[in-house]
Amino acid sequence: EVQLVQSGAEVKKPGATVKISCKVSGYTFTDYYMHWVQQAPGKGLEWMGLVDPEDGETIYAEKFQGRVTITADTSTDTAYMELSSLRSEDTAVYYCATLPSHWGQGTLVTVSS
Amino acid sequence: EIVLTQSPGTLSLSPGERATLSCRASQSVSSSYLAWYQQKPGQAPRLLIYGASSRATGIPDRFSGSGSGTDFTLTISRLEPEDFAVYYCQQYGSSRYSFGQGTKLEIK
Repeated sequence: EVQLVQSGAEVKKPGATVKISCKVSGYTFTDYYMHWVQQAPGKGLEWMGLVDPEDGETIYAEKFQGRVTITADTSTDTAYMELSSLRSEDTAVYYCATLPSHWGQGTLVTVSS
Repeated sequence: EIVLTQSPGTLSLSPGERATLSCRASQSVSSSYLAWYQQKPGQAPRLLIYGASSRATGIPDRFSGSGSGTDFTLTISRLEPEDFAVYYCQQYGSSRYSFGQGTKLEIK
């Protein structure tokens, strides 16, 4: 069974950096890109970017370029998403996903002073 | 970047009725790499349709997808109470993926 298990909820102050993890099991980590998706409260889904675990190459959405870093650690089958210079608008649930098929459970990040 | 526009924003129907949801792309979606998801409150999205028309594992046959190029449709033939949710389309045919803004299917 494919599973993507994300790290727990985070509370951060404006200007800080958050790093979320996504540990996978049930498939070969390097076979699929890993994506990250943002969902602000009451809003829709927004694609943030992806990493190819095979070689570490990344592609980011223009909206997040410069603030987001997505990485993959093949020794632990874990992907990471780091978002810097946090502001209140970054308060959201963040999902990892092997689009289009499998999704993590989501991680709530709250940005508040 | 391909922009996906879903319509309508909200669809009010009764159980047993047919639902038709639209997703229009700003440019052609390569190889019909278009997916549909269902999302209920507090849950991660659930894949319904991939490749524009292929049902994902375990998805009832009342869900069907069609279309190509820039126009795609999700049809739910006879609505069940559990089908009332938000639906998103998503394209994965370009290097930068994108989602539509969603259609809320509500009980009339």
